Amino acid sequence: AQTVTQSQPEMSVQEAETVTLSCTYDTSESDYYLFWYKQPPSRQMILVIRQEAYKQQNATENRFSVNFQKAAKSFSLKISDSQLGDAAMYFCAWSLANTDKLIFGTGTRLQVFP
Amino acid sequence: DSGVTQTPKHLITATGQRVTLRCSPRSGDLSVYWYQQSLDQGLQFLIQYYNGEERAKGNILERFSAQQFPDLHSELNLSSLELGDSALYFCASSVATGVLNEQYFGPGTRLTVT
Repeated sequence: AQTVTQSQPEMSVQEAETVTLSCTYDTSESDYYLFWYKQPPSRQMILVIRQEAYKQQNATENRFSVNFQKAAKSFSLKISDSQLGDAAMYFCAWSLANTDKLIFGTGTRLQVFP
Repeated sequence: DSGVTQTPKHLITATGQRVTLRCSPRSGDLSVYWYQQSLDQGLQFLIQYYNGEERAKGNILERFSAQQFPDLHSELNLSSLELGDSALYFCASSVATGVLNEQYFGPGTRLTVT
């Protein structure tokens, strides 16, 4: 069975600094998708960034970028120039290509200090 | 605002009771997903419907059932409720299925079973 592991229950960063959240996954599949979702205190789940496994180039969305290491089954999220509004729970998720069932990790709570 | 609406926002009920959670997807979205977020189990995929048909099933209990109606709204029915069913239930929607498409999450329904 596929699993997603987030080994950092909590992380903190100073405003304007950079932070990296870790995610590893276990799968025997070769074609899949990976996602990072943000859940602020409002509880709304918001997609931050996504990556297709067949793409070697790491995805980037403004201040958010990923480091996708397929062989190592690692998918970390880098947040640059951290802002107070980035404070939230961050969930890493995996889905098999051509399906929509998301398997989530346990989440990392990110605190941002001024 | 994701465009996905869920009602009610909060629900408090007693063990053994039955409740119905409602979800209206974004305009034009054909796929609806249900997720459960609890302290014990984290975020779990329950079930997916696409254009009225069940598309994928996750760890959904037999006491739970769902359907998607011709107008594409969906309902999740939870019966014989137990204390452990207390959780945040999310509905998400997407345009299609089987491709890399973003799932837009609703604000969730907080269910408390006493």
